[in-house]
Amino acid sequence: ETGVTQTPRHLVMGMTNKKSLKCEQHLGHNAMYWYKQSAKKPLELMFVYSLEERVENNSVPSRFSPECPNSSHLFLHLHTLQPEDSALYLCASSRGRVSSGANVLTFGAGSRLTVL
Amino acid sequence: AQKITQTQPGMFVQEKEAVTLDCTYDTSDPSYGLFWYKQPSSGEMIFLIYQGSYDQQNATEGRYSLNFQKARKSANLVISASQLGDSAMYFCAMGGTASKLTFGTGTRLQVTL
Repeated sequence: ETGVTQTPRHLVMGMTNKKSLKCEQHLGHNAMYWYKQSAKKPLELMFVYSLEERVENNSVPSRFSPECPNSSHLFLHLHTLQPEDSALYLCASSRGRVSSGANVLTFGAGSRLTVL
Repeated sequence: AQKITQTQPGMFVQEKEAVTLDCTYDTSDPSYGLFWYKQPSSGEMIFLIYQGSYDQQNATEGRYSLNFQKARKSANLVISASQLGDSAMYFCAMGGTASKLTFGTGTRLQVTL
């Protein structure tokens, strides 16, 4: 496999459930990202990992818990979510951090989450 | 802070015609990059083209070109010879000294016969 793979593609969960989203990249990139895409809103950056270290957390509620066990894998653990958390969650990777302004992000196809 | 504005929520273009998607930006970073991504209904964001703030020439990638006007803070995407497969959401984004891309709200492009 090549590129960025996200599983599951679709997830429906109740507010009391615990689930996880998985992201895997086969590009040899060093940075990985979680973005949230809600209807009619710009993509919102949630977390950034560089070389497995979390370097950015954009005021995301604690019911979202990221994990990056190695440079190829990124998880987003979900617990006690709210209906407003329903969105498309996109994972991305890049060769390095985007601090140069020139780093291209490669995205996965996303995990569509519905919270009932 | 960075801001990206895309004022066209939706656009129509006839097959084989050219179309321009607008993007304006605001930033205080002295060095930055501008990106365009395409998102088909499948959900994946596909990188199309990149323009650096100090690049002298406008970027081109096949049928895509970026009309970069630094003084006007605009970075419009031009798609030439539109194809039905170009129907998708298009997002303008900016990267600067911070470790993130800032995205606009997107433009939905529909290519018609």
